[in-house]
Amino acid sequence: AQSVTQPDIHITVSEGASLELRCNYSYGATPYLFWYVQSPGQGLQLLLKYFSGDTLVQGIKGFEAEFKRSQSSFNLRKPSVHWSDAAEYFCAGTNFGNEKLTFGTGTRLTIIP
Amino acid sequence: NAGVTQTPKFRVLKTGQSMTLLCAQDMNHEYMYWYRQDPGMGLRLIHYSVGEGTTAKGEVPDGYNVSRLKKQNFLLGLESAAPSQTSVYFCASSYPLTSGTPNTDTQYFGPGTRLTVL
Repeated sequence: AQSVTQPDIHITVSEGASLELRCNYSYGATPYLFWYVQSPGQGLQLLLKYFSGDTLVQGIKGFEAEFKRSQSSFNLRKPSVHWSDAAEYFCAGTNFGNEKLTFGTGTRLTIIP
Repeated sequence: NAGVTQTPKFRVLKTGQSMTLLCAQDMNHEYMYWYRQDPGMGLRLIHYSVGEGTTAKGEVPDGYNVSRLKKQNFLLGLESAAPSQTSVYFCASSYPLTSGTPNTDTQYFGPGTRLTVL
């Protein structure tokens, strides 16, 4: 089955430290991959997306993600986190012609001073 | 431009009661979706629609019905609510999801409806 997996349920990072959130996918053809962020009590907001081309994609709020076909991964990174980055992060995927997104189970990010 | 709005924001039902959740979007999107979000399970697709007058089942459709009579509205109905339907419900809309055209294939989400079934 086509899916995305987020192996980390909860990550705690110190403010100013770097961040990497993991996402693995299983799609046969070239996947369309997304990272969304959900602040407490809010809906989801798109951070970035990958369809093809450059495997390093830049998003909003200083986030980036790298598509690695050999590892079936699409990890989200940020060089220096801010307290406002505390939220839940969802990886999602689909492939061409599919009207539906499949979401991972999410990673909750806690920032400590 | 309000984006995606959901009504109501909160609701408490008793087992067996019915209700309808309304989703409205003003971005002229063809596609609309209903998800439920439960702790540790991410978002799961209930039903979706790829155009006015069309609907299709998602991953967890049982106990829910939907209608898309107007392009801008997508209604989610619970005919006989059960405690297992206690959840946060999100609506989303988009252009065709994998068109490959920049900025036309993002799902835009509403703020959610928190439903409790006692």
